[in-house]
Amino acid sequence: AQSVAQPEDQVNVAEGNPLTVKCTYSVSGNPYLFWYVQYPNRGLQFLLKYITGDNLVKGSYGFEAEFNKSQTSFHLKKPSALVSDSALYFCAVRDMGDDKIIFGKGTRLHILP
Amino acid sequence: ETGVTQTPRHLVMGMTNKKSLKCEQHLGHNAMYWYKQSAKKPLELMFVYSLEERVENNSVPSRFSPECPNSSHLFLHLHTLQPEDSALYLCASSQVGTGGITEAFFGQGTRLTVV
Repeated sequence: AQSVAQPEDQVNVAEGNPLTVKCTYSVSGNPYLFWYVQYPNRGLQFLLKYITGDNLVKGSYGFEAEFNKSQTSFHLKKPSALVSDSALYFCAVRDMGDDKIIFGKGTRLHILP
Repeated sequence: ETGVTQTPRHLVMGMTNKKSLKCEQHLGHNAMYWYKQSAKKPLELMFVYSLEERVENNSVPSRFSPECPNSSHLFLHLHTLQPEDSALYLCASSQVGTGGITEAFFGQGTRLTVV
């Protein structure tokens, strides 16, 4: 069965600094990997995905993520954080050929002005 | 707008009530999901419907009963709930099978409070 781990409950970053939100995964086959963001009292918004191809994928709002197969990781990154990036971030995985999408517990990102 | 609409946005119900949550997707997807989001807990997958057949039921209590009459609509019927069932219930849809879009699109959620 697939699973996702987000080891940090909260990440604090000063505005303008680079940010990283960590994610590791476990699947039996080839993974589809996703990042979502959630603002208060809202649903989840899709940011980016890795299906195949380049290990570095770019998404919405200047975010990117790097797929590392040997480390089974898919960390979310942004070169320069904005206060408006403060939100709850979820990593998710889907095993190729499976209908289930499994989410991590979420990491709260707090950007300090 | 994500193309997935949930109603109602907020619901307060007593433990003896019966109510239903509704989800509609306008994306032409063939899979729909119910997730439960409680405070300080991971997002829990409750039900998955693929091609209108239920393919996953993650040991959800029988007081939650899903219904998927067609590929565009998904319901969650609620009865005799407990206070610990209070949470944000999220509906999502995606495309499954060969090719197509693989990420899930989420509705805004229904904030359920059981009193």
